[in-house]
Amino acid sequence: ETGVTQTPRHLVMGMTNKKSLKCEQHLGHNAMYWYKQSAKKPLELMFVYSLEERVENNSVPSRFSPECPNSSHLFLHLHTLQPEDSALYLCASSQDLGGSGSTEAFFGQGTRLTVV
Amino acid sequence: GQNIDQPTEMTATEGAIVQINCTYQTSGFNGLFWYQQHAGEAPTFLSYNVLDGLEEKGRFSSFLSRSKGYSYLLLKELQMKDSASYLCAVSDSNYQLIWGAGTKLIIKP
Repeated sequence: ETGVTQTPRHLVMGMTNKKSLKCEQHLGHNAMYWYKQSAKKPLELMFVYSLEERVENNSVPSRFSPECPNSSHLFLHLHTLQPEDSALYLCASSQDLGGSGSTEAFFGQGTRLTVV
Repeated sequence: GQNIDQPTEMTATEGAIVQINCTYQTSGFNGLFWYQQHAGEAPTFLSYNVLDGLEEKGRFSSFLSRSKGYSYLLLKELQMKDSASYLCAVSDSNYQLIWGAGTKLIIKP
């Protein structure tokens, strides 16, 4: 248990569906992240929020839409996804944006997404 | 471009020692992290190095050489539960983490 909770753990959706991934942390952290993890590939940073404001968007397709309503919750809204979007989606949080470079990230267990 | 290299897979024997290497080329350097990820689980923090040298934490140690762009994670007295993927990540000049693809470590009895 890392203090970061993601739901659902598994999700199968059709290409025309709309779904949302949820992430929750009660660690008092100020920064939250969405990562995509595909098999045998490096973690891909998708979005970064600091104090509920988006500070990073790494050229992610618009079919992925993040939302951070407060410092404890982060959502990833999904619509019209493609089969290649199938992956493990990880949420993480850290105390700050790593200003000192030593801020470790706490990860949730991820949502295993399959697009059919 | 920025790049982190680590072996895809390694095999070791229970009770033995294994060293997992990581080489990096990044724009700036603000520290190197090692994370452990068991199958189907969240990555968990193992170590952080920002200065050259060896950091020891129980059975696990991490080494850094900034001049060589090189780090290794040393695992001693291997246990079956150490079977996992080990992720190397570097904090670049913008404090953004650049990740390696991970090394899958298989422990055999």
